[in-house]
Amino acid sequence: AQSVTQPDIHITVSEGASLELRCNYSYGATPYLFWYVQSPGQGLQLLLKYFSGDTLVQGIKGFEAEFKRSQSSFNLRKPSVHWSDAAEYFCAVSSDSWGKLQFGAGTQVVVTP
Amino acid sequence: DTEVTQTPKHLVMGMTNKKSLKCEQHMGHRAMYWYKQKAKKPPELMFVYSYEKLSINESVPSRFSPECPNSSLLNLHLHALQPEDSALYLCASSQDNTGELFFGEGSRLTVL
Repeated sequence: AQSVTQPDIHITVSEGASLELRCNYSYGATPYLFWYVQSPGQGLQLLLKYFSGDTLVQGIKGFEAEFKRSQSSFNLRKPSVHWSDAAEYFCAVSSDSWGKLQFGAGTQVVVTP
Repeated sequence: DTEVTQTPKHLVMGMTNKKSLKCEQHMGHRAMYWYKQKAKKPPELMFVYSYEKLSINESVPSRFSPECPNSSLLNLHLHALQPEDSALYLCASSQDNTGELFFGEGSRLTVL
């Protein structure tokens, strides 16, 4: 069965520290991969995407993610977090059908001073 | 600023009411979506319209009725809802079928 797993439900990080959010997927082929961010009470915003090519992708707000086929992973990283990065982060995978995004359960990031 | 606009931002309704959620995008996208999101959960797909035609209905109860009057507008008509239908309803649009979606800020629905 197809699935997306975000092992960490909640992460607390100090402002200025690095951040890494994990995402593992289980799909028959290489799917399209995404990271979305959701601030409290808001909609989702696309941070970055991977379709093919260079396995290290750059996104908005200083985020990057690396696709590792051998590990079926697409982990999100940021070298130095800002207080405004506190939000819910969703890894998502799409099938070949319109809008059929499979979301992970999400990781809530708390940033401490 | 989001380019997908949803109204109203908040809606409180009784179980016998009829109301509608509205969504508009002016990016020329060919597909529009309704997602439902409960607290602390990921969004769940409800409906997909592709080229103004309903292409996906994820077995949503008939008390939710989508409508796509044109390529820029998407409505969700609500009738005889239950308290468990209280949630954030997200509209999204996309140019293609890769899964790259542009989301609105959502309509927070409370059913009393």
